Amino acid sequence: AQSVTQLDSHVSVSEGTPVLLRCNYSSSYSPSLFWYVQHPNKGLQLLLKYTSAATLVKGINGFEAEFKKSETSFHLTKPSAHMSDAAEYFCVVTRSSNTGKLIFGQGTTLQVKP
Amino acid sequence: DGGITQSPKYLFRKEGQNVTLSCEQNLNHDAMYWYRQDPGQGLRLIYYSQIVNDFQKGDIAEGYSVSREKKESFPLTVTSAQKNPTAFYLCAGGTEYSNQPQHFGDGTRLSIL
Repeated sequence: AQSVTQLDSHVSVSEGTPVLLRCNYSSSYSPSLFWYVQHPNKGLQLLLKYTSAATLVKGINGFEAEFKKSETSFHLTKPSAHMSDAAEYFCVVTRSSNTGKLIFGQGTTLQVKP
Repeated sequence: DGGITQSPKYLFRKEGQNVTLSCEQNLNHDAMYWYRQDPGQGLRLIYYSQIVNDFQKGDIAEGYSVSREKKESFPLTVTSAQKNPTAFYLCAGGTEYSNQPQHFGDGTRLSIL
């Protein structure tokens, strides 16, 4: 069965410092993986997706993630945090190979301090 | 602009009342989904529809009902049987292909009076 675990419920960084949001997954097949961002009282916006092409995936707003099959990880990084990055981040794995159904992690709240 | 439109943004329900949340899309997505979000939790799937006039239960369908009479519309009814309906409800559109992302509306926050 597929599952996803976000290892930190809350991450706090200073503006201008690197961001690391950790995600581990479990899948019985080669999954598609996504990172979404949610600002307060808003829907989810796609940051980036991995679909078995390049293992290093670049997304919007300077974010990127690396798919590591040996570690079953898909951590999200950004070299330099901006105040506008403060939000909730979700790591997501597809539930099966033949549907669009998704499994969401619990979410990581990113706080950016001035 | 193309997108997923949810209304209303805020909704209040009285005891014993059914309420309906609207979700409309102009992205030509075949599949549509309803999720429930509670504080500190990820999204949980309530119902989904991959084609007009067909829908399937998700993980927490009890106390909810849906219809899919048009491709563009996928309303969710929260019935009086749902004893804990206070949550943030998100509608999404997408495809049946696992490598394609879903597009989300801005949500409806439902509270109990």
